[in-house]
Amino acid sequence: DQQVKQNSPSLSVQEGRISILNCDYTNSMFDYFLWYKKYPAEGPTFLISISSIKDKNEDGRFTVFLNKSAKHLSLHIVPSQPGDSAVYFCAASNNAGNMLTFGGGTRLMVKP
Amino acid sequence: DVKVTQSSRYLVKRTGEKVFLECVQDMDHENMFWYRQDPGLGLRLIYFSYDVKMKEKGDIPEGYSVSREKKERFSLILESASTNQTSMYLCASSQPQGAGGANVLTFGAGSRLTVL
Repeated sequence: DQQVKQNSPSLSVQEGRISILNCDYTNSMFDYFLWYKKYPAEGPTFLISISSIKDKNEDGRFTVFLNKSAKHLSLHIVPSQPGDSAVYFCAASNNAGNMLTFGGGTRLMVKP
Repeated sequence: DVKVTQSSRYLVKRTGEKVFLECVQDMDHENMFWYRQDPGLGLRLIYFSYDVKMKEKGDIPEGYSVSREKKERFSLILESASTNQTSMYLCASSQPQGAGGANVLTFGAGSRLTVL
């Protein structure tokens, strides 16, 4: 059973608007959550992370929100740009190990 | 520019062939990982290594083995390739997750394997 789920396989947004990508998890032992972006024919690149002791982390146009009670996190991109078009993976880790557990990914398309 | 290099970007193999996927990192990282990426399934961990000659099974190790003879090199081996191993294979490395830190993996560009 997947411990990290991204229920939307794709999302289409107009340039300049907000993109919201969602992620749910089941393991309450996860203590860090990360977002990766992947372009075709390239490896995933780290985007932003959040500790379980926080509920928000911001880096430029990217903000991650964490709702621990709901076991839900989201990535907000404002404003969205065509170059943001990629597959976004949510990932989680716990202090017991060094592994990341990934979600299935959401393909974001930002239309000019 | 520090990076993780996967030697083969595209491979086509036949069922039953032995396949080697090589990965080298130049960041002196302790941890190395092999994932496979399939549509809708995300990235699934095959094996990881936290030290030379050490290895741990991930979520889907069946049909795979690994070798880590040197710190910078981590190889994935398919002893007898099968069609259901057609996938994108991603190697990654990281430093051990210290207290209060996120485990940020650095990925290679991937190796797309097709097994006919």
